[in-house]
Amino acid sequence: AQKITQTQPGMFVQEKEAVTLDCTYDTSDPSYGLFWYKQPSSGEMIFLIYQGSYDQQNATEGRYSLNFQKARKSANLVISASQLGDSAMYFCAMREALTDSWGKLQFGAGTQVVVTP
Amino acid sequence: GAGVSQSPSNKVTEKGKDVELRCDPISGHTALYWYRQSLGQGLEFLIYFQGNSAPDKSGLPSDRFSAERTGGSVSTLTIQRTQQEDSAVYLCASSLGRLAGAKQNIQYFGAGTRLSVL
Repeated sequence: AQKITQTQPGMFVQEKEAVTLDCTYDTSDPSYGLFWYKQPSSGEMIFLIYQGSYDQQNATEGRYSLNFQKARKSANLVISASQLGDSAMYFCAMREALTDSWGKLQFGAGTQVVVTP
Repeated sequence: GAGVSQSPSNKVTEKGKDVELRCDPISGHTALYWYRQSLGQGLEFLIYFQGNSAPDKSGLPSDRFSAERTGGSVSTLTIQRTQQEDSAVYLCASSLGRLAGAKQNIQYFGAGTRLSVL
């Protein structure tokens, strides 16, 4: 069964606008971590932001913030003030403590973001 | 080096040949992971090494795939008797390891090896 669901295959956003990328997850593990990675056309996976299941506050890293709604099992990424360099594929991922001993990442299918001038 | 290094960056091989892909993790990282990224399957976990523990091989798709990690550092992923469906980008990642704590145990990825099996 798919554990990470990203329902938006692609999005266009105008420069300087904010964009929200959706991610829902499925786990029965009480302890888990949620991650967002960016993959530009060059292919490298770049870590953006992390949210732990027990974190009380939503994670923020510069222009990236994570809208964590635990009861809804949702971990949406918000990119504020989009820049042309934000054009890339964005992946949501999860790592479980008990199921996988904090080992492997499980990835969603990704959302392709294109920022237009 | 500063980041995870993978070689070669591109590999073209003929069906039936064996290939070796190399990953050099970030210095000091005890955990190392291999993933495969293909159009049809997305990003799939292959294998995970944590220190001296037995590796988690649960993601290896067949017995043609194997990996080793020598001296707790460099890892080699070997694919024997390659098939066309093995064509994909193979990504390696490393992290401090689970003892570092969840927030510090971020996986950092290399640029990948693009494997094409003709």
